[in-house]
Amino acid sequence: AQKITQTQPGMFVQEKEAVTLDCTYDTSDPSYGLFWYKQPSSGEMIFLIYQGSYDQQNATEGRYSLNFQKARKSANLVISASQLGDSAMYFCAMRGPDSNYQLIWGAGTKLIIKP
Amino acid sequence: KAGVTQTPRYLIKTRGQQVTLSCSPISGHRSVSWYQQTPGQGLQFLFEYFSETQRNKGNFPGRFSGRQFSNSRSEMNVSTLELGDSALYLCASRLDRADTEAFFGQGTRLTVV
Repeated sequence: AQKITQTQPGMFVQEKEAVTLDCTYDTSDPSYGLFWYKQPSSGEMIFLIYQGSYDQQNATEGRYSLNFQKARKSANLVISASQLGDSAMYFCAMRGPDSNYQLIWGAGTKLIIKP
Repeated sequence: KAGVTQTPRYLIKTRGQQVTLSCSPISGHRSVSWYQQTPGQGLQFLFEYFSETQRNKGNFPGRFSGRQFSNSRSEMNVSTLELGDSALYLCASRLDRADTEAFFGQGTRLTVV
């Protein structure tokens, strides 16, 4: 069965610093997708970035990049130059045949950016 | 382009009652998935609808049901509410089942008292 692990329940980061949020996953499927979502206090899940298991390069979207290390089953999110508005819950998720293509979620990391 | 709309945003119900939540996906999107988010269990998949048919179902009791209409709008129903059903219910919309990106609504926060 697929599983996502986020080991950091919470993080404090100084504004403008880079931050790395950890995510490890477990699956026996060769084909899968990895996602990062941001959830502000309003509740909406905001899509940040996607990495396919066969993608050769790490995904990037603006200030977000995904450090994909397939052999280690790791998909860490890197936020460069953090901003106060980045304070939120961040969830790593996975989708693949083993989950009938539905999202399996990690427990999340609460990120707080300090001014 | 309008996003995913979930109504109502907040709901308070009494144990034993039933509740219906609504989700209007992005125009043109045909796949709607529902998730339950609680502090204890985190995010869990409830079910997915595509072209008015349930395609997948998570590990939830039969009190949880849903449907999808011809305009892709979806409703989920919870009967005989229990205190443990208190949660944020999120709806996700995708253009197609194979589409990678899912767009979420702001959720419906259900409190059962």
